[in-house]
Amino acid sequence: EDQVTQSPEALRLQEGESSSLNCSYTVSGLRGLFWYRQDPGKGPEFLFTLYSAGEEKEKERLKATLTKKESFLHITAPKPEDSATYLCAVQVVSAGNMLTFGGGTRLMVKP
Amino acid sequence: DTAVSQTPKYLVTQMGNDKSIKCEQNLGHDTMYWYKQDSKKFLKIMFSYNNKELIINETVPNRFSPKSPDKAHLNLHINSLELGDSAVYFCASSQGAGTANRFGSGTQLSVL
Repeated sequence: EDQVTQSPEALRLQEGESSSLNCSYTVSGLRGLFWYRQDPGKGPEFLFTLYSAGEEKEKERLKATLTKKESFLHITAPKPEDSATYLCAVQVVSAGNMLTFGGGTRLMVKP
Repeated sequence: DTAVSQTPKYLVTQMGNDKSIKCEQNLGHDTMYWYKQDSKKFLKIMFSYNNKELIINETVPNRFSPKSPDKAHLNLHINSLELGDSAVYFCASSQGAGTANRFGSGTQLSVL
């Protein structure tokens, strides 16, 4: 069975304090790994797709990386507006385009 | 605005009732989905549907059924609602293999 585990469950940072969120996965036939941001009361907002080990994607203060077992979302010098829940999901070849999600990391950035 | 939109935003109903949630996407995508997010914020796939194939997560009770009048719409019908059905339901869509699902803003269902 495909499994996706995110850690930590919650993370408190001071503004400007860089850190990383982890997403470890066990799947058969990875097609892609996806990162989303979810704000309270809203749907997940797409951030990145990573397809193969060694791949990296960047957007503003966020950088996502991928290995054969895990992905990291690095947050550099976060701001309070980066506070949200970050979700990792995998798409496997045998399951069409459906996503299997991890439990998310709730990030709180204090000014 | 190009988007995935779902209605209603909130749905409060009594146990035993039948209800529907509507979803429309104007992105031109060929596949639509329903996901359920429980009280612990865990997001789980319920259905995947395109004009060729319906894929059902085996854990979904048969009281839940997706209905697609056309490629841009996928509605969710729920019969005989139970307390445990209370959750946030998200519609999503995508186009092509390996592409991201784009999500609607969710419907919060409360069963009393």
